[in-house]
Amino acid sequence: EAGVTQSPTHLIKTRGQQATLRCSPISGHTSVYWYQQALGLGLQFLLWYDEGEERNRGNFPPRFSGRQFPNYSSELNVNALELEDSALYLCASSSRAGVGTDTQYFGPGTRLTVL
Amino acid sequence: TQLLEQSPQFLSIQEGENLTVYCNSSSVFSSLQWYRQEPGEGPVLLVTVVTGGEVKKLKRLTFQFGDARKDSSLHITAAQPGDTGLYLCAGIGIQGAQKLVFGQGTRLTINP
Repeated sequence: EAGVTQSPTHLIKTRGQQATLRCSPISGHTSVYWYQQALGLGLQFLLWYDEGEERNRGNFPPRFSGRQFPNYSSELNVNALELEDSALYLCASSSRAGVGTDTQYFGPGTRLTVL
Repeated sequence: TQLLEQSPQFLSIQEGENLTVYCNSSSVFSSLQWYRQEPGEGPVLLVTVVTGGEVKKLKRLTFQFGDARKDSSLHITAAQPGDTGLYLCAGIGIQGAQKLVFGQGTRLTINP
């Protein structure tokens, strides 16, 4: 069974540009989560999608947005890129949203570099 | 805002030594998870502890959840070079696993 996949692996942009990151969850999983992992820091929760709807978002500005498609894949969009947006963006999926200790399975991440 | 403080942030020890990583908070969590992350990969779940005072063992790794469910520890016995990696603790709030709160991570290096 394939795990969570993310594309691209690496992305280089300049300040002010837009970045689009993509995630395919494990087959059968309906929930997708996005996290930002900046250098030297732990993971910061960005967004949670389930059944095509945004269910929760972390403390990030509105220029961080995304969506979930009918096939449960997801994309994260970052507008008006700033230097401090440089980070590893991790996507995770789970099968039963909102249930206690349900496990989130992580993809390998997309390394975004803003120049 | 729930925060998790992990310590130490960096740890470099010799093969065969024992070590403990701590994860502390002023908030109560319904459960706590420990992950390990290798370079170029996403975090992989090692264990979930749910009950206050719970102890779980995974080979040479021992995980403990504090009685008050505010803290946790990871103890590695006789560390090996293969244990090298970034260890992350993550708390699950009362609202469920939708929004994991992660610690900053402990970068562990085991020298042969």
